[in-house]
Amino acid sequence: AQSVTQPDIHITVSEGASLELRCNYSYGATPYLFWYVQSPGQGLQLLLKYFSGDTLVQGIKGFEAEFKRSQSSFNLRKPSVHWSDAAEYFCAVAPVGGSQGNLIFGKGTKLSVKP
Amino acid sequence: DADVTQTPRNRITKTGKRIMLECSQTKGHDRMYWYRQDPGLGLRLIYYSFDVKDINKGEISDGYSVSRQAQAKFSLSLESAIPNQTALYFCATSDRGTPRDYEQYFGPGTRLTVT
Repeated sequence: AQSVTQPDIHITVSEGASLELRCNYSYGATPYLFWYVQSPGQGLQLLLKYFSGDTLVQGIKGFEAEFKRSQSSFNLRKPSVHWSDAAEYFCAVAPVGGSQGNLIFGKGTKLSVKP
Repeated sequence: DADVTQTPRNRITKTGKRIMLECSQTKGHDRMYWYRQDPGLGLRLIYYSFDVKDINKGEISDGYSVSRQAQAKFSLSLESAIPNQTALYFCATSDRGTPRDYEQYFGPGTRLTVT
């Protein structure tokens, strides 16, 4: 079955440290890939997306993600975390050729930032 | 002003009551979606609509119904609320055309509690 896995439920990093959030997917073909962020009490905001082309994509707020076909992964990175990055992060996948517009979300990774 | 708005933002209701959650958007998008979010489960799709006359069931449509009153308005109803429908509900929109139809924009959410 098609699935999206975010292996880490909760991660804590120190402010200024680097961050990597993992996302793996299970599909036959390369899907469209997304990362969303949900700040406390807020809706989901699109951080970045991958449709095709360059496998390293840049997003808002200094985030980037790298698509690795061989590992079926789309990990989110940030070189230096700020306290305001504390939030929950969701990876989402849209299988190419699947039901139009439908996204499948991972269960999320909650990020805490230590001062 | 927010592009995707949801009303109410918070609601407490009793078991067996009918309740309607409303979503409006000013993005001019054709496609609208309703999701529910439960802790540890990520987001799950309830219903989606590609235009006023096209409404489709999502992964977890049982116990819910929807109405697409206009391009900009998409309502979710719980005909007879039950406690396990307590959740955070999100409306989302997307433009038409692949891959833009997978790029979804979310409202701020409605926190629903059924007692």
